Amino acid sequence: GDSVTQMEGPVTLSEEAFLTINCTYTATGYPSLFWYVQYPGEGLQLLLKATKADDKGSNKGFEATYRKETTSFHLEKGSVQVSDSAVYFCALSDRGATNKLIFGTGTLLAVQP
Amino acid sequence: SQTIHQWPATLVQPVGSPLSLECTVEGTSNPNLYWYRQAAGRGLQLLFYSVGIGQISSEVPQNLSASRPQDRQFILSSKKLLLSDSGFYLCAWRNSGAKETQYFGPGTRLLVL
Repeated sequence: GDSVTQMEGPVTLSEEAFLTINCTYTATGYPSLFWYVQYPGEGLQLLLKATKADDKGSNKGFEATYRKETTSFHLEKGSVQVSDSAVYFCALSDRGATNKLIFGTGTLLAVQP
Repeated sequence: SQTIHQWPATLVQPVGSPLSLECTVEGTSNPNLYWYRQAAGRGLQLLFYSVGIGQISSEVPQNLSASRPQDRQFILSSKKLLLSDSGFYLCAWRNSGAKETQYFGPGTRLLVL
């Protein structure tokens, strides 16, 4: 079945460092891909999404490009801030009858001042 | 604009007690609704989804049930809680359509003792 694999954390960076969180997927068909962010004690917020190959999603300085040839959707940010500390989830939508989301296990990012 | 509410925010319940978690959505009609569970240190797992009033689909066999008595109300229940039911429960909604995004509520943290 469909699945999402993302790099295990925690990822610890200094402020203004470059961030990459890897995400790869396995899916039949052409899923939509998402990054969600979960701040401590809160629910999930949509960070960005891409719905077809070569699309780039971007928001708040974060970017991810839908790479069909490598089945990847890596999250990047050029300069992280302390306020970016959170858990980041990569997910795909199966576009079937349920349109359910299949999540990776999440990556904890800790940014130190 | 659309908003999603969940309550209670936190709940501590003894083993064997009943459970009722509520989720309501405002600002949209006939949404698809979802219940996810996030166990400690793990990703999110879809428990139930609903495409309309009274229509519930279960993704995994478990000690829980769901109901949708009104268009924008989704309830998660249990007759007798188990220790393994502890976790963070998230409700989500989306409009129907192939490329629509799921939006999450703030979550309910359940601890079963």
